[in-house]
Amino acid sequence: RKEVEQDPGPFNVPEGATVAFNCTYSNSASQSFFWYRQDCRKEPKLLMSVYSSGNEDGRFTAQLNRASQYISLLIRDSKLSDSATYLCVVNAGGGADGLTFGKGTHLIIQP
Amino acid sequence: GAVVSQHPSWVICKSGTSVKIECRSLDFQATTMFWYRQFPKQSLMLMATSNEGSKATYEQGVEKDKFLINHASLTLSTLTVTSAHPEDSSFYICSAEDRLGRTQYFGPGTRLLVL
Repeated sequence: RKEVEQDPGPFNVPEGATVAFNCTYSNSASQSFFWYRQDCRKEPKLLMSVYSSGNEDGRFTAQLNRASQYISLLIRDSKLSDSATYLCVVNAGGGADGLTFGKGTHLIIQP
Repeated sequence: GAVVSQHPSWVICKSGTSVKIECRSLDFQATTMFWYRQFPKQSLMLMATSNEGSKATYEQGVEKDKFLINHASLTLSTLTVTSAHPEDSSFYICSAEDRLGRTQYFGPGTRLLVL
């Protein structure tokens, strides 16, 4: 079973729409959760951390369900510039641990 | 935000040569850096954890004699792909962890093509 699973998409969404995607993780001991954004042929960039209580940053809302080992990202009022691959990322332990990446969900915002 | 640089940004080399990639944290000190590899349409996979002043820790399946890591200072880690072969062609990305261990900042990556 893959450690972090995401629907690869692509999700084709009209500009201005709201889109949500999810990921599941297998390691119940995972402690930190993130959404990263990766543009084509570029390095991943941190979009937002995901907290147990859920958190919002502008048009982006992230939620974590530890019981179901499920993380979500909601994008409201989508912009053309939101087109990218969104990576669900989990850090299994505390301290200096490498991150475990999902394969990413490819989002295409259409004009 | 924190800045991590990586050099070179791309390399094309012949099979059998060794390639050295540098990763630098420009505005902060990083006791821990990480090396990842990403094949086309695949997720990033952690190769090794690089700790300043000590030996790197390699993930299962990553040959330590093939991928030499040196983390000689708090701002520099190097990855040397020894005797590179076409199957080593990939996108290599480093990251540096902030001092509080909250998150990692990624370098821009190095594209390696071995002919």
